[in-house]
Amino acid sequence: GQNIDQPTEMTATEGAIVQINCTYQTSGFNGLFWYQQHAGEAPTFLSYNVLDGLEEKGRFSSFLSRSKGYSYLLLKELQMKDSASYLCAVMDSNYQLIWGAGTKLIIKP
Amino acid sequence: NAGVTQTPKFRVLKTGQSMTLLCAQDMNHEYMYWYRQDPGMGLRLIHYSVGEGTTAKGEVPDGYNVSRLNKREFSLRLESAAPSQTSVYFCASRSPGEVGELFFGEGSRLTVL
Repeated sequence: GQNIDQPTEMTATEGAIVQINCTYQTSGFNGLFWYQQHAGEAPTFLSYNVLDGLEEKGRFSSFLSRSKGYSYLLLKELQMKDSASYLCAVMDSNYQLIWGAGTKLIIKP
Repeated sequence: NAGVTQTPKFRVLKTGQSMTLLCAQDMNHEYMYWYRQDPGMGLRLIHYSVGEGTTAKGEVPDGYNVSRLNKREFSLRLESAAPSQTSVYFCASRSPGEVGELFFGEGSRLTVL
């Protein structure tokens, strides 16, 4: 079966750095996405990785290792507004997205 | 620029009642999706459409029907609602190209009593 695993909840301090991990087992691979979802709102796109390595976009970076079935989202200089759920999703061989359950990130002052 | 709009935002139904969720996008996207989101679970695909007049089943299609009315609009219908269909429903459209970023509507919270 297809499976995406990510931690249920993480806590970090304002101004610090946090890494949210995602491991996956899917039928084929056509890219990995990270989305941010604030409570009661819709998910919004953060990043896309299809090749191994690190993609940096401002305070957010996303890393992919296809051989290990592993990705992480790195958030630097945390702000209170970063409190949200972070969803990992993999596009499989049929170009369908398989979603993880999301990691709820709590930022403390 | 409205993006993806869906209605209604909230609805309470009794078991056996029917209802339709409406979704419209103004980005000229071909691909549109209906997902449900439940606590502790990832988004699950109900049905999707790759263009006007086409629909296909996703992971959890039972109990739902869809209609791609035109390029802009994609509706989701519950013919006979069940408590197991209590969920938050999201409509999304996908931008063309390799990345295929999804744009989501604000969600519709449905409770079936």
